[in-house]
Amino acid sequence: QSVLMQPPSLSAAPGQKVTISCSGSSSNIGNNYVSWYQQLPGTAPKLLIYENNKRPSGIPDRFSGSKSGTSATLGITGLQTGDEADYYCGTWDGSLSVGVFGGGTKLTVL
Amino acid sequence: EVQLLESGGGLVQPGGSLRLSCGASGFTFSNYAMSWVRQAPGKGLEWVSVISGSGGNTYYANSVKGRFTISRDSSKNTLSLQMNSLRAEDTAVYFCARGPTRGTFDYWGQGTLVTVSS
Repeated sequence: QSVLMQPPSLSAAPGQKVTISCSGSSSNIGNNYVSWYQQLPGTAPKLLIYENNKRPSGIPDRFSGSKSGTSATLGITGLQTGDEADYYCGTWDGSLSVGVFGGGTKLTVL
Repeated sequence: EVQLLESGGGLVQPGGSLRLSCGASGFTFSNYAMSWVRQAPGKGLEWVSVISGSGGNTYYANSVKGRFTISRDSSKNTLSLQMNSLRAEDTAVYFCARGPTRGTFDYWGQGTLVTVSS
């Protein structure tokens, strides 16, 4: 059971938009920045969004992030087949002094 | 270019020990906290441990506390994870990651597989 809660799977058609939710608590999301990671099959996680809504260099603006209270959301517009991957939210839990991740959301683009 | 390269994974019997290493390059190693994150086969990411840039502070997941020890050698730009009393449930790919910095793990290594089995 992961500390941060994400839907296990989502699917959408190419060109569509999806949002992936991440729910936590006041000790983690509520008091820390949230980051999002994309993991393509057989590869290491890659940073997509940091500090709730910032994109690292090279990440297209089709990817966006937001945070409200103890929840965060990753948005992906103009879905492409190459976006098929597992997506994880993550942050630091200041009360427990541990890193925490969501259980991951498997995105299927069909 | 930031690069993280893990090594040291392999097959070990239950109750055995293994030491993982992560070589870092492309940034000032001592300026950053460094973490180990693992992923069991077919499962999600699990944070394991973090060490501060100075090496003076370390934190562990409850699942590994008392069995794993994280350390760093800034003269060699190397992060290590000493794993003792290994269990089957420790079987996973272990990733070295830079951070967290403001909740972010911004660079990841390719991972090294640890298999605990008799």
